[in-house]
Amino acid sequence: EAGVTQSPTHLIKTRGQQATLRCSPISGHTSVYWYQQALGLGLQFLLWYDEGEERNRGNFPPRFSGRQFPNYSSELNVNALELEDSALYLCASRPEGTDHNEQFFGPGTRLTVL
Amino acid sequence: EDQVTQSPEALRLQEGESSSLNCSYTVSGLRGLFWYRQDPGKGPEFLFTLYSAGEEKEKERLKATLTKKESFLHITAPKPEDSATYLCAVQASSGGSYIPTFGRGTSLIVHP
Repeated sequence: EAGVTQSPTHLIKTRGQQATLRCSPISGHTSVYWYQQALGLGLQFLLWYDEGEERNRGNFPPRFSGRQFPNYSSELNVNALELEDSALYLCASRPEGTDHNEQFFGPGTRLTVL
Repeated sequence: EDQVTQSPEALRLQEGESSSLNCSYTVSGLRGLFWYRQDPGKGPEFLFTLYSAGEEKEKERLKATLTKKESFLHITAPKPEDSATYLCAVQASSGGSYIPTFGRGTSLIVHP
């Protein structure tokens, strides 16, 4: 069974540009979560999508946004990039149903803002 | 507010030297406590889910235990390939967000 996939692996942008990160969940998983992991910090929750809808968002500014497509893949967009947005962005998926609480992570996208 | 504190921040062991990592938590009703392993620059790899005090789970050299206030990840006779950052996360039973709160992790280095 294929795991969560993310693209690109690395992304280099300059301040003020926009970045688009992509995630494909494990087959059969309908929930997708996005996290930011800055150097030396823990995982910070960004966004949660389920069944195509945004269900919750973390304490991040509106320039962090995203969407979930009908095939449950997801996209994270970061507008007006700032230097402090440099981090590892992780996507995770969770299967449907309340009995399945653990999340499974992708390899991440390393975003560098110059 | 849910909180997770992991200790120590870093741990160096010799190969074969058993030890334990601690995860202390406060949560308004525990739905689940998770342990993950993360290698540098990669995504976390799921290890265990614990649901109630007294529960234990094992996988190879790792054993996770849970009390009402903390969880331990015991590493028996570690090998250099066990070197990684170990993350603990808790999920509250209130609400339906299933959004876990993560600790900052314990960085484990096992020397040959």
